[in-house]
Amino acid sequence: NAGVTQTPKFQVLKTGQSMTLQCAQDMNHEYMSWYRQDPGMGLRLIHYSVGAGITDQGEVPNGYNVSRSTTEDFPLRLLSAAPSQTSVYFCASSYDGDRSYEQYFGPGTRLTVT
Amino acid sequence: DAKTTQPNSMESNEEEPVHLPCNHSTISGTDYIHWYRQLPSQGPEYVIHGLTSNVNNRMASLAIAEDRKSSTLILHRATLRDAAVYYCILRGTSGTYKYIFGTGTRLKVLA
Repeated sequence: NAGVTQTPKFQVLKTGQSMTLQCAQDMNHEYMSWYRQDPGMGLRLIHYSVGAGITDQGEVPNGYNVSRSTTEDFPLRLLSAAPSQTSVYFCASSYDGDRSYEQYFGPGTRLTVT
Repeated sequence: DAKTTQPNSMESNEEEPVHLPCNHSTISGTDYIHWYRQLPSQGPEYVIHGLTSNVNNRMASLAIAEDRKSSTLILHRATLRDAAVYYCILRGTSGTYKYIFGTGTRLKVLA
């Protein structure tokens, strides 16, 4: 299994540009989520999904959209990039949303907005 | 969402045990306690989790207080590779399925 994969690894955007961060998992996990981690800080939850077709907001959803059309993929869209969105973005998945299952994290996408 | 409190940083000597504390005084009866760690420039990785009883796995042990208002992650013999940020997380209240990370404890292991 490849686990959780994220593309791209690095990205530089200009203010106002849009882009999609890709996340895929091959473990047939129902639960997927997106986090951002600013320098020296902990992770903050952006959006999450408990299954295909179902998404919900986390702590910091503004400026981001998600959709979940398949079990495997959970892309994160930046609508109009701002310098405040400069961060490292992690995608994670777990078997389902139950309290007892651990999450598996991807390697991250480092995004810089100039 | 219930909140956790951890020390910002801790130090340990190599090959000695490490006890990483976490306070979660507002934990609810159905919240699981999860621990993750994040090595430099990597995504977080799962360490251990539990509900009421102490738990052991190949990486660590989790000791949960009887009233569940605190827990301790125990690394039995710290190695240099254990230097990381350790996060204590309460998992799942009211079916919201949110993992909320705090700022964690940065563990430094001295050779």
